[in-house]
Amino acid sequence: GQNIDQPTEMTATEGAIVQINCTYQTSGFNGLFWYQQHAGEAPTFLSYNVLDGLEEKGRFSSFLSRSKGYSYLLLKELQMKDSASYLCAVSDSNYQLIWGAGTKLIIKP
Amino acid sequence: GAVVSQHPSWVICKSGTSVKIECRSLDFQATTMFWYRQFPKQSLMLMATSNEGSKATYEQGVEKDKFLINHASLTLSTLTVTSAHPEDSSFYICSARAPEGPNEQFFGPGTRLTVL
Repeated sequence: GQNIDQPTEMTATEGAIVQINCTYQTSGFNGLFWYQQHAGEAPTFLSYNVLDGLEEKGRFSSFLSRSKGYSYLLLKELQMKDSASYLCAVSDSNYQLIWGAGTKLIIKP
Repeated sequence: GAVVSQHPSWVICKSGTSVKIECRSLDFQATTMFWYRQFPKQSLMLMATSNEGSKATYEQGVEKDKFLINHASLTLSTLTVTSAHPEDSSFYICSARAPEGPNEQFFGPGTRLTVL
């Protein structure tokens, strides 16, 4: 079966760095997405990785290792507004997104 | 670019009535649109994949006759919840896949449905 695993909840301090991990097992692979979702709102796109390595975009970076079925989202200089759920999703062989359950990130002052 | 709108943003209806939710891609043509449902504190659950001009593909466990999907044009897909019941109360989100790029899905703002 297809499976995406990520931690349910994480807590971090404002100004710090946090890494959210995602492991996956899917039938085929056409890229991995990270989305941010604030409570009561729709997800918004953060990053896309299809090749191994690190993609950096401002305070957010995403890493992918296809051989390990592993990705992480790195958030630097955390701000209170970063409190949200972070969803990992893999595009499978049919280009369908397989979603993780999401990681709720709580930022404390 | 790549904006998806959804209407209405919230709706309250009586049990037994039908509710139509519209999803539009505003600045691109979306050959494929997706309908998701999300219950509180849970992740997105794909309900169906909608392709323009053809019947929607429903996920296992989703009732086709209850959740009617029509993808009439390259910019519009509608989801009709027929004979709604309180257990259908949820956050319904559509997304559209742009024809180019990394098959990213662009999400509408969502519709919160409350069935009394």
